[in-house]
Amino acid sequence: DGGITQSPKYLFRKEGQNVTLSCEQNLNHDAMYWYRQDPGQGLRLIYYSQIVNDFQKGDIAEGYSVSREKKESFPLTVTSAQKNPTAFYLCASSIGPGTEAFFGQGTRLTVV
Amino acid sequence: EDQVTQSPEALRLQEGESSSLNCSYTVSGLRGLFWYRQDPGKGPEFLFTLYSAGEEKEKERLKATLTKKESFLHITAPKPEDSATYLCAVQVLKNYGGSQGNLIFGKGTKLSVKP
Repeated sequence: DGGITQSPKYLFRKEGQNVTLSCEQNLNHDAMYWYRQDPGQGLRLIYYSQIVNDFQKGDIAEGYSVSREKKESFPLTVTSAQKNPTAFYLCASSIGPGTEAFFGQGTRLTVV
Repeated sequence: EDQVTQSPEALRLQEGESSSLNCSYTVSGLRGLFWYRQDPGKGPEFLFTLYSAGEEKEKERLKATLTKKESFLHITAPKPEDSATYLCAVQVLKNYGGSQGNLIFGKGTKLSVKP
């Protein structure tokens, strides 16, 4: 079954901790994206990657980091520098620019 | 600045009562416009892509249309299972003819259909 898998579904982080959210796709897509969704706001772009070993900052990259060592994988690390990390995080992939993006089921991160 | 605005923020319909959702956009150049459906606690589900003014796409009770400044998502005779948040997004065409790749999203319209 082709698709995008995000894990875990729920994640709790203590103040000052780094956490990593997993995103894997088996659609053979070149481009991958991370978005953040907060209540009452649209999806906001954190980072995107159009090819392996290359990625670009989005609108709200501060406090986040990514890597793209494999085509299938695009993990997101939420660092302690992110002051308000509680949110719903969505990973997506697309064949390339101009094509529709397909989303995973999301990871809900809560700071405790 | 590239922007996407959706209206209304929320819409309550009776089952069978047709209506339309609006997505207006201000971008330097449109590469494509996308509609998604999102259920609570889940990732957005792709519905349609529109590329040029005058284009229309249909799927079951949904029909999406595109003009040079806005897109409409028409819902004909909706059912309770159509209740969801509908998201509109655009991909911007850059000066060099390429695309930034990422989507710019509106805040969505939350649709409730009562039986």
